[in-house]
Amino acid sequence: AQSVAQPEDQVNVAEGNPLTVKCTYSVSGNPYLFWYVQYPNRGLQFLLKYITGDNLVKGSYGFEAEFNKSQTSFHLKKPSALVSDSALYFCAVRAPGSARQLTFGSGTQLTVLP
Amino acid sequence: NAGVMQNPRHLVRRRGQEARLRCSPMKGHSHVYWYRQLPEEGLKFMVYLQKENIIDESGMPKERFSAEFPKEGPSILRIQQVVRGDSAAYFCASSPPSSEAFFGQGTRLTVV
Repeated sequence: AQSVAQPEDQVNVAEGNPLTVKCTYSVSGNPYLFWYVQYPNRGLQFLLKYITGDNLVKGSYGFEAEFNKSQTSFHLKKPSALVSDSALYFCAVRAPGSARQLTFGSGTQLTVLP
Repeated sequence: NAGVMQNPRHLVRRRGQEARLRCSPMKGHSHVYWYRQLPEEGLKFMVYLQKENIIDESGMPKERFSAEFPKEGPSILRIQQVVRGDSAAYFCASSPPSSEAFFGQGTRLTVV
């Protein structure tokens, strides 16, 4: 069975500083990996995905994520945080060739302090 | 192209009543997924449907919950005889055959 771990419930960062939201995964075979963001009382918005190819994936709103197969990680990063980036971030995994549903991590609340 | 549309956005039901949650996928999307988000938790997969077929319902509770995606019309998640523990946000997502899923804004069910 596949699983995702987001080891930090909460991440605080000052505006303008770089941010990292951590994610590790466990899946059989080569994973499909995703990041979604959820603003209060809203649905999830897709940020980026890794299927194959370059390990560094660029997504929406200046976010990027680095796939590291040896560490089974897919950390989300942004060089310079904005207050408006404050939200709940979810990492998700899907095993290739299987049913298409996503397995989500428990989420990380990002707070960017002005 | 409108996004995934869920209605109602908020639903209040008394214990023992039925809840019907509707999801209209994005145009051209033939795959629909339902997820449940309990307070302070991540999303848990419930069911995956294609038109007129349930592909995977491994995340659905064995009793009181059912889902359908008819040939015409929205996908429906139905919860019979609701209990307080059913209170949650229910999210629908849709996708074309080989792309990422797009999520609706959710239906927040409150059982009183």
